[in-house]
Order: sequence, then C-alpha cells, then structure tokens
Amino acid sequence: AQSVTQLDSHVSVSEGTPVLLRCNYSSSYSPSLFWYVQHPNKGLQLLLKYTSAATLVKGINGFEAEFKKSETSFHLTKPSAHMSDAAEYFCVVSDVNSGNTPLVFGKGTRLSVIA
Amino acid sequence: GAVVSQHPSWVICKSGTSVKIECRSLDFQATTMFWYRQFPKQSLMLMATSNEGSKATYEQGVEKDKFLINHASLTLSTLTVTSAHPEDSSFYICSARGVGAGFEAFFGQGTRLTVV
Repeated sequence: AQSVTQLDSHVSVSEGTPVLLRCNYSSSYSPSLFWYVQHPNKGLQLLLKYTSAATLVKGINGFEAEFKKSETSFHLTKPSAHMSDAAEYFCVVSDVNSGNTPLVFGKGTRLSVIA
Repeated sequence: GAVVSQHPSWVICKSGTSVKIECRSLDFQATTMFWYRQFPKQSLMLMATSNEGSKATYEQGVEKDKFLINHASLTLSTLTVTSAHPEDSSFYICSARGVGAGFEAFFGQGTRLTVV
C-alpha cells in the first residue's frame, strides 16, 4: 500500500522568502513521486516528478524537490516565493513499475504568500 | 507532455437528471484511466480505475450504479453521474496513463458539477 503525508495543511511565507512544503511517503514498491499545484477552481499542473533517476529534481517556476529514501521524504522547495505561487500543492506517490496503479494524493498544503 | 482533454469544464444540472463527463487522451493510448472527485478545500479522492475494454474497479464507498464509467476505447473514458443530487456537486478530474506516456499520469482540466 502507498500513502503520502503532507505535514502542513497551511504554510504562509512572505514574498521573496524561501518556501518549504514537506512530504513524507510510504510505498511497498519503488515509488514515483510528484508534486502538483492547483490554483483556485483550476485543474492540476505538474510541477516536477521523481522516477528513480536523479534524486534532486528541478521543476517549473523555480521549484525543486529532493528524494531522500532514508527519510522517506520528498520535500518541495523554492528559494524565493512569488505572489503567483499562492495555491494548493499536492504531493503524490505512485508505483513506478505499474501503469495500472493510481496516483495517491496527499491532503494538500495551502501556500499563502504575503506581500 | 501528453494531453488529456476533459469536457465539459463546468456543468449545472437539475436534481434527478444525469450528466456525462468525457475524458480523452489526445496523443497517446490511455490503457488505464482514473476518475477522482474533489470536494471544496479537500484533496483528490480516487473514485474508480478503468482499463480499456474492462469493467471499472470502484473504490470502497463509491456507488457503481450511480457513477457509471465506460472505457470503450484507448482514447476515451466517460463518467456518467446518474440521478444527480446536490450532494454530488463536486470537482471531477480524470487521469490517464498508457502507451507512449511513460509512467506519468496526465490529468484532464477537471469538471465542476453543480446540481441544483
């Protein structure tokens, strides 16, 4: 069974300061890990993904995440927050070897950016 | 990346009527499609998984007779909400994985259903 725990339901940062959104996963298999962003009343946009290649993954809009197997973590970071980053972020896990396995979503972290 | 098109993006229907939502993979063969539901300020909850040509597998607590899923071709899956009620109002999102798309799942734009 796979599961994802997003440790913070809400994170608030000032514009220009670093962003850290925490995610821990549990998987019986070699996991694929993703971060998606969802703006209000919008669909999901893929920020980045880890699929057993480089452990430090760079995504769009300056986001990156590091896969740490020993800590079962996949935290999302950005050096400097922008107002447009305010949104809901979902950490997602799936089985890298199975196309039939659905993505399992974390509960989400709402990021607020203060001017 | 691969493209998944979901239609309609929003729909309002009267209580007791049925609504069909379409999910199409535009540039790859979607051997597996997933349907999710998202209530306001909540995460996405998997409703069902469908493989092309097979009956859908529903998650516990999801009524298969109410949420009819058809995956008759490698590029199209439909979700029909039958006899809709206000409590079915939600954001429905499809996701597809398959040949030519790697192990990533690609998402449709979502459908906002409001039942009045």
